[in-house]
Amino acid sequence: DAKTTQPNSMESNEEEPVHLPCNHSTISGTDYIHWYRQLPSQGPEYVIHGLTSNVNNRMASLAIAEDRKSSTLILHRATLRDAAVYYCILSITNSGYALNFGKGTSLLVTP
Amino acid sequence: GAVVSQHPSRVICKSGTSVKIECRSLDFQATTMFWYRQFPKQSLMLMATSNEGSKATYEQGVEKDKFLINHASLTLSTLTVTSAHPEDSSFYICSARYGGRGNQPQHFGDGTRLSIL
Repeated sequence: DAKTTQPNSMESNEEEPVHLPCNHSTISGTDYIHWYRQLPSQGPEYVIHGLTSNVNNRMASLAIAEDRKSSTLILHRATLRDAAVYYCILSITNSGYALNFGKGTSLLVTP
Repeated sequence: GAVVSQHPSRVICKSGTSVKIECRSLDFQATTMFWYRQFPKQSLMLMATSNEGSKATYEQGVEKDKFLINHASLTLSTLTVTSAHPEDSSFYICSARYGGRGNQPQHFGDGTRLSIL
């Protein structure tokens, strides 16, 4: 199974950019890269996803390495509400594109 | 954005009771719905995948006779925990997806906290 590796935790100051890394060295050509985040006692929230090209939306940007073996979620200006566990997940073709969550990165944002 | 409603948000009941959890996609047709379980301080664990009108596909180690899943329409899936016991206490989360390909995101409900006494 293609898996992802993320740091257990990261810390950022409020109003500064945050770069959350993710390694997925065994990714195959048709696997999409998804990012979700989860606040305590809530269901996960979709953040962004992509295949090969970098992606931008109102929440974040996703930078995908040229070899697709790593990606970075970029929060351009962290707020206290961005404190959450961020999950980088591969949506894999041969599993019906189901999402298998790893441990994610716990992001702490300090004022 | 896409909205998924999950009900109830919290259930407390006695051992041996069966509990039904509903998951509704409010503003889109969910071709596929997923059920997850999350224990304290752990990540989400996929329990099963269901496509509208088909039998659910369960992950290894998940008892299909214990966790009954029905996906009778494109907007509703239900999970019934039959004869629940204290070890079934957990945070159950559903998600829904339009379409069957990896380029479609999943949208999650707010979860149901199940406590079996």
